[in-house]
Amino acid sequence: AQSVSQHNHHVILSEAASLELGCNYSYGGTVNLFWYVQYPGQHLQLLLKYFSGDPLVKGIKGFEAEFIKSKFSFNLRKPSVQWSDTAEYFCAVNTSPGRRALTFGSGTRLQVQP
Amino acid sequence: EPEVTQTPSHQVTQMGQEVILRCVPISNHLYFYWYRQILGQKVEFLVSFYNNEISEKSEIFDDQFSVERPDGSNFTLKIRSTKLEDSAMYFCASSERGGGNTIYFGEGSWLTVV
Repeated sequence: AQSVSQHNHHVILSEAASLELGCNYSYGGTVNLFWYVQYPGQHLQLLLKYFSGDPLVKGIKGFEAEFIKSKFSFNLRKPSVQWSDTAEYFCAVNTSPGRRALTFGSGTRLQVQP
Repeated sequence: EPEVTQTPSHQVTQMGQEVILRCVPISNHLYFYWYRQILGQKVEFLVSFYNNEISEKSEIFDDQFSVERPDGSNFTLKIRSTKLEDSAMYFCASSERGGGNTIYFGEGSWLTVV
């Protein structure tokens, strides 16, 4: 079965700082990778996804992520964070073909200080 | 943008009572899901539903849980006899296809069992 690890549980940054959140997965086959964001009091929203092709994917709100197959990683990045990026960020994976259900990481709480 | 909608947003129930959480998936979607998030923990998959039957379920989805699509629009999760440990945020989700296709989440239903 696949699993997802997010090693940063709580990250505090100042506005304009650069962000990188780590995500590693364990699964030997083909995977689809996702980053979701959960703003305070809101539902999970898709930031970006990787299915195949260019391993560097760009999402909404200036976020991007790079799939490095050899490292089983899909780290999320943003060059310059804003206060409004304060939220919880979840990495998730499902397998292709196979298990459609998403397996989530434990999440990273990002706090951006003005 | 189409949304997954859920009701109620918050429900408090006594231990042992039955609870039904309701969801209206996005209209042209074919796959439906329930996930839950216990406070402070990761989002966990419960069940997926396709073509009027369960296509996948997790170990959490035991006999006290059931899902139903009673009509063409609603998708429900029933918990027959609630336990304290069922207190969580329950997210409904839907996707057009399984596998890598994007899963869209609702805003969640907070269930508090007392």
